[in-house]
Amino acid sequence: NAGVTQTPKFQVLKTGQSMTLQCAQDMNHEYMSWYRQDPGMGLRLIHYSVGAGITDQGEVPNGYNVSRSTTEDFPLRLLSAAPSQTSVYFCASSPVPASYGYTFGSGTRLTVV
Amino acid sequence: AQSVTQPDIHITVSEGASLELRCNYSYGATPYLFWYVQSPGQGLQLLLKYFSGDTLVQGIKGFEAEFKRSQSSFNLRKPSVHWSDAAEYFCAVAPGETSYDKVIFGPGTSLSVIP
Repeated sequence: NAGVTQTPKFQVLKTGQSMTLQCAQDMNHEYMSWYRQDPGMGLRLIHYSVGAGITDQGEVPNGYNVSRSTTEDFPLRLLSAAPSQTSVYFCASSPVPASYGYTFGSGTRLTVV
Repeated sequence: AQSVTQPDIHITVSEGASLELRCNYSYGATPYLFWYVQSPGQGLQLLLKYFSGDTLVQGIKGFEAEFKRSQSSFNLRKPSVHWSDAAEYFCAVAPGETSYDKVIFGPGTSLSVIP
């Protein structure tokens, strides 16, 4: 059972480039989310989805897009990378309701130069 | 506004010593409470959770946490720390079962263990 798989693990982008961070889970979880982790700030929610075809914004959505065409996949797209988006990105999933707690992926470390 | 505080940014303990990591939250009702652990270069792993019932909850790796409503606290404890416990620990709060967009993570406490 792989859990939550994130790719790539590391990425360097130039300012203005676009890219997609991949997230896949094999636990049939309805809820999936993307967080970014910055030093001293804990985790901040970017976008989340409560099922295929349903997405919503979190605390820091600007500069990011998501879609959820299947239960398994929840990609995060950076439209035009900026240095402020340098961070570690985590994908998490959970059954409904959220009281089960999250299963996290191992993260993607993104550097924008 | 809801908030989660972890007053200690960094804690150092000797191997075999006891450990207590503090977590305080600000919310009107009793929320769902979680502790996660993050080892270097890894994602977060759920240690334990509380949402009702016995205020002392047991988790994985020998950790436990106690919910104290009067103090709005959910402190994490371990009687004897092992070197492998060195990691970052996050407290998290969810206001209710379906409040997915309102899960708040604390800033984290970094634990170092001296052999």
